[in-house]
Amino acid sequence: DIVMTQSPLSLPVAPGEPAAISCRSSQSLLHSSGYNYLDWYLQRPGQSPQLLIYLASNRASGVPDRFSGSGSGTDFTLEISRVEAEDVGVYYCMEALQTARTFGQGTKLEI
Amino acid sequence: VQLVESGGGFIQPGGSLRLSCIGSGFSMGSYWMHWVRQIPGKGPVWVSRIKRDGLDLSYADSVKGRFTISRDNAKNTLFLEMDSLRPDDTAVYYCARARPVVNAIDYWYYDLWGRGTLVTVSS
Repeated sequence: DIVMTQSPLSLPVAPGEPAAISCRSSQSLLHSSGYNYLDWYLQRPGQSPQLLIYLASNRASGVPDRFSGSGSGTDFTLEISRVEAEDVGVYYCMEALQTARTFGQGTKLEI
Repeated sequence: VQLVESGGGFIQPGGSLRLSCIGSGFSMGSYWMHWVRQIPGKGPVWVSRIKRDGLDLSYADSVKGRFTISRDNAKNTLFLEMDSLRPDDTAVYYCARARPVVNAIDYWYYDLWGRGTLVTVSS
């Protein structure tokens, strides 16, 4: 099974400041199709997860352009250029190589 | 467009529950559907999936032989029959819609989630 490791686990950020979350997988997520099978989700307090980034670097519909994803192989990063109050929650990376998807432990972003 | 789960509750070990997930605003029959569970404070964990026509099923090893996924496309409803429940099955259970991406083989992302239903297994 693929193990997903996120860091940091807690991320206090002032409004307007940038933030970055790292995600490392135990094996390469680069598929033969040429895409990196890595997604990012945000779970706001009391809500279900929502998709932010798919295939490592593609913003989902309706996601502000202050969110960006990068990386390849086993190392990936989610960046927020200027944090806003509504960005509070837990961020999860998720590998999409296996049918039984595995998520990282989550990174809790606090203002 | 939404998914609404129901059927969760408090159950003793060894008991059974049937979860339902009703879709509205879209045709559920056009999508693979999944169940994902989450222990409060922990990351989500994939549980099961079912093909559009209901003929291809997959399960996590931890629930194989105890849980059964099914669907009724005419009623836009997804089910999860859970038998022989154990305390470690305690979690919020979400249904999620899987959306494929052109040219990305065997890939999908979850573009729609329900609000979840809590299952508590305890004596």
